[in-house]
Amino acid sequence: EAGVTQFPSHSVIEKGQTVTLRCDPISGHDNLYWYRRVMGKEIKFLLHFVKESKQDESGMPNNRFLAERTGGTYSTLKVQPAELEDSGVYFCASSQFAPPVNEQFFGPGTRLTVL
Amino acid sequence: LAKTTQPISMDSYEGQEVNITCSHNNIATNDYITWYQQFPSQGPRFIIQGYKTKVTNEVASLFIPADRKSSTLSLPRVSLSDTAVYYCLVGERNTSGTYKYIFGTGTRLKVLA
Repeated sequence: EAGVTQFPSHSVIEKGQTVTLRCDPISGHDNLYWYRRVMGKEIKFLLHFVKESKQDESGMPNNRFLAERTGGTYSTLKVQPAELEDSGVYFCASSQFAPPVNEQFFGPGTRLTVL
Repeated sequence: LAKTTQPISMDSYEGQEVNITCSHNNIATNDYITWYQQFPSQGPRFIIQGYKTKVTNEVASLFIPADRKSSTLSLPRVSLSDTAVYYCLVGERNTSGTYKYIFGTGTRLKVLA
């Protein structure tokens, strides 16, 4: 069974540009989560989808970040315009069951570098 | 606000049992405790989850005292491949009923030959 996949694995962009990260969850997993770790900091929750519906986006840093999950399958996280402090690793995870009793499967992450 | 505290690092030798304790003083009634393992350049990987007392699976055990303010991950007979960062998480339930997960700083375990 394929795990959670993320694309691209690395992205280097300049400040002010737009970047879109993609996450493909495990097939059949309705729950999808985005996290990120910026340099030297802890992994921080960004938001949670159930199918195409956002359950909690309280962790989204600001309105430069837009997450979507049209059709309830893959998800995208767009950063527009990117700032230097957005550099870090963005993880996606999916789970079959909803919190609090759930096992989240994480993807390998997308390393974003904003120059 | 749920928050976890763990030792920053630990060293152990192959074949030993390793216990990593996590403090979560503000854990709420509905929160579960989950442990993840992370290797460099990879996403975290689920190890075990529990609510109270003891939970055991094929790779680890999780001990949770009655007050649930702490938990201990026990790894039996570690090997070099267990060298990784271990995270203790508690889910934080919002007033709307949704959850988010708080990662702590993690414990960097180094297993020595």
